[in-house]
Amino acid sequence: GAGVSQSPRYKVAKRGQDVALRCDPISGHVSLFWYQQALGQGPEFLTYFQNEAQLDKSGLPSDRFFAERPEGSVSTLKIQRTQQEDSAVYLCASSAHRVPAAYEQYFGPGTRLTVT
Amino acid sequence: AQSVTQLGSHVSVSEGALVLLRCNYSSSVPPYLFWYVQYPNQGLQLLLKYTTGATLVKGINGFEAEFKKSETSFHLTKPSAHMSDAAEYFCVLNAGGTSYGKLTFGQGTILTVHP
Repeated sequence: GAGVSQSPRYKVAKRGQDVALRCDPISGHVSLFWYQQALGQGPEFLTYFQNEAQLDKSGLPSDRFFAERPEGSVSTLKIQRTQQEDSAVYLCASSAHRVPAAYEQYFGPGTRLTVT
Repeated sequence: AQSVTQLGSHVSVSEGALVLLRCNYSSSVPPYLFWYVQYPNQGLQLLLKYTTGATLVKGINGFEAEFKKSETSFHLTKPSAHMSDAAEYFCVLNAGGTSYGKLTFGQGTILTVHP
């Protein structure tokens, strides 16, 4: 079956522009995560949704970052007034489990954002 | 606070040789531990996981890992490397308990396999 998909795969933005990154999780998966992976580093947690509820946004680096999942399926990560330090790969992951701690998260291929 | 340390950002082995990727963790609660692999231009894939029970866990493609609480380690091994094993490997921690799935990643180890 289809895995997690993300679009666009690559995005170049000029400093100060707003960007929107989309994640399509596996159908029926209730849990959805966003991670940020800087060059040469492991992914870092940004935010977590259980269905449409955003239960944790503690990893969002600033108030320029905003995520939503209004119908409990597709999610969008929005970054306002992009800065060079926002350049990274943004990963989306989903899980079928409501309490997914012990279970696999299925990752998308990521969106590589470059801010010039 | 929890953390994961992978010893060695690059590991190089010959085809057929033992693969050993080292991982140490820090957690204030019993952890769930995972190894994920990332092939070029692909998403992260789960290799194996430890939650509870048997401390030696087996995963896909002949990989295994042993949870050692006394050493706070979760090293990944494979007896005989194959060219297709070349990838980046991440040791990953979940604090478990009331944590819903917020993962803490190590910085990754790039495995190179020489013919």
